[in-house]
Amino acid sequence: DAKTTQPPSMDCAEGRAANLPCNHSTISGNEYVYWYRQIHSQGPQYIIHGLKNNETNEMASLIITEDRKSSTLILPHATLRDTAVYYCIVRVAQTGNQFYFGTGTSLTVIP
Amino acid sequence: DAGITQSPRHKVTETGTPVTLRCHQTENHRYMYWYRQDPGHGLRLIHYSYGVKDTDKGEVSDGYSVSRSKTEDFLLTLESATSSQTSVYFCAIQGGSTGTQETQYFGPGTRLLVL
Repeated sequence: DAKTTQPPSMDCAEGRAANLPCNHSTISGNEYVYWYRQIHSQGPQYIIHGLKNNETNEMASLIITEDRKSSTLILPHATLRDTAVYYCIVRVAQTGNQFYFGTGTSLTVIP
Repeated sequence: DAGITQSPRHKVTETGTPVTLRCHQTENHRYMYWYRQDPGHGLRLIHYSYGVKDTDKGEVSDGYSVSRSKTEDFLLTLESATSSQTSVYFCAIQGGSTGTQETQYFGPGTRLLVL
């Protein structure tokens, strides 16, 4: 599975959009981009995933560049409850494949 | 909620003592995983199961064994606990009630302290 690079930490004002970047320059054609987050002391929580097209759900939007070498997770209106560590993972979407979690981005939403 | 519970949620034990952690799912999914999480390392896979009595090793399997005698339960055993096994342990299942079959969903974790 391809490796990802994320900034170690970011701040965002409450109510503003939080844009979390991820670089995955060695991504393969059949690898998806997944985003998880982990709120302190809890298990990782699935947010969203995509292959090529931009994706949106009730939690967030995922923007993937045309060359697929990077992506951005967007939380449209960050709240204090969005303070967490966010993990970007690339992997082949195959049942049984491991998720390799790096150290992620620690997002702090500031009142 | 992906229907995953872990027990116990917290445990303190002594070096050399056997410890068993339990992961229980209500989703009837085939794949289950055990991870450990330590500062600076993210989550690392210990063992996983792809069916009843079918298990395989992950990247940090030394000192751990697993068993899966029925679909809903995946047990992680530390035969003789060591201080290096002090960690937070997470169970995960493949898929869930709201996601795709390729997405993993995690339990709440078990905090283990080995003195």
